[in-house]
Amino acid sequence: GEDVEQSLFLSVREGDSSVINCTYTDSSSTYLYWYKQEPGAGLQLLTYIFSNMDMKQDQRLTVLLNKKDKHLSLRIADTQTGDSAIYFCAERGYGQNFVFGPGTRLSVLP
Amino acid sequence: GAVVSQHPSWVICKSGTSVKIECRSLDFQATTMFWYRQFPKQSLMLMATSNEGSKATYEQGVEKDKFLINHASLTLSTLTVTSAHPEDSSFYICSAWGVNTDTQYFGPGTRLTVL
Repeated sequence: GEDVEQSLFLSVREGDSSVINCTYTDSSSTYLYWYKQEPGAGLQLLTYIFSNMDMKQDQRLTVLLNKKDKHLSLRIADTQTGDSAIYFCAERGYGQNFVFGPGTRLSVLP
Repeated sequence: GAVVSQHPSWVICKSGTSVKIECRSLDFQATTMFWYRQFPKQSLMLMATSNEGSKATYEQGVEKDKFLINHASLTLSTLTVTSAHPEDSSFYICSAWGVNTDTQYFGPGTRLTVL
């Protein structure tokens, strides 16, 4: 079945850029998503990219997609303490079901 | 727009009782709703998919008689955990897929603790 992998932890200093990486196996993915989850809360959609795009930028967020390598990344510029959270990568095939990665816990150090 | 609410946000119950969790799409009609379970420090595990007016489709390993799902309208789905046991303690998250949207919108989650 489909699989989505992420590194589990990332620590950065406040003001630096964070890059969270994700790999997936489903070659028929149509959309790829990044969600943010703060402690005790649900998932907040940050951004998503259609599979025929290479890059999408939205304010401090930049998503890069390498479809050949099935690699997705999320770059957060000027990382702030409020960005500390778990970030989930998810891929969607032709249906509506998502496959989520295990989540990357981002810690922002002052 | 695209707000999904869940009620209650947390619940504590005794073993053997049943608990109902509501998921509502507040400003859009949800053709499909999903129920997930999340254990501490883990990812989301899809439990079931429900379409309005039809029976839910359960993922392998999820007991349909234990986790009853009702999707009675385009804005409301409920998950009832029947005869709850401590191992059912978890964070339950719903999501909704609206018409003409490209993604699921998630509720804030319900933390269930069974004593």
